[in-house]
Amino acid sequence: ETGVTQTPRHLVMGMTNKKSLKCEQHLGHNAMYWYKQSAKKPLELMFVYSLEERVENNSVPSRFSPECPNSSHLFLHLHTLQPEDSALYLCASSQDTGAGYGYTFGSGTRLTVV
Amino acid sequence: SQKIEQNSEALNIQEGKTATLTCNYTNYSPAYLQWYRQDPGRGPVFLLLIRENEKEKRKERLKVTFDTTLKQSLFHITASQPADSATYLCAHPMDSSYKLIFGSGTRLLVRP
Repeated sequence: ETGVTQTPRHLVMGMTNKKSLKCEQHLGHNAMYWYKQSAKKPLELMFVYSLEERVENNSVPSRFSPECPNSSHLFLHLHTLQPEDSALYLCASSQDTGAGYGYTFGSGTRLTVV
Repeated sequence: SQKIEQNSEALNIQEGKTATLTCNYTNYSPAYLQWYRQDPGRGPVFLLLIRENEKEKRKERLKVTFDTTLKQSLFHITASQPADSATYLCAHPMDSSYKLIFGSGTRLLVRP
């Protein structure tokens, strides 16, 4: 384990379903991130939270809704997704948002939308 | 827009040789670059950070260089081993913000 735990590891959902991805870190980090990784494409930044406040929403469709109830937990709520949303969703944390701290990533949730 | 370019073709080398991976960036001069390793089905793992005022950084068999004139970083693995086979990602902050953008990565295959 890397210190960042994501559940579930795999998820298959229909376009009308509602599901949530969960991320947990106990590294004492203040910043948490959601990234999307599609095949053959670079990681795409979706959301950034710093000290539980959302500081970035990178033009992500409203069918993706993040939640950060405390500094250790981050959720990504999903509803009415499209097949093109199928991807690996990665959560990461860092000590802070600045100064070049390395990110600690979870293993990701492989999402398939059918 | 800012872009990070990494060779999309896999690098195939013999065990024991030095692997050299390239990261080129455009339209912006970042204050630092980061390198990550990613194995299939796993999240990236942070390896090294090099700042713009550092020409070279080393960590065990890894060495990273940063050439701000060429807008390029090179990542070297000396005495490569089959266990080094993975995809290696380069990243830097977007604009002057903290937001990291990533390259698509280069896959390294080390033959025994």
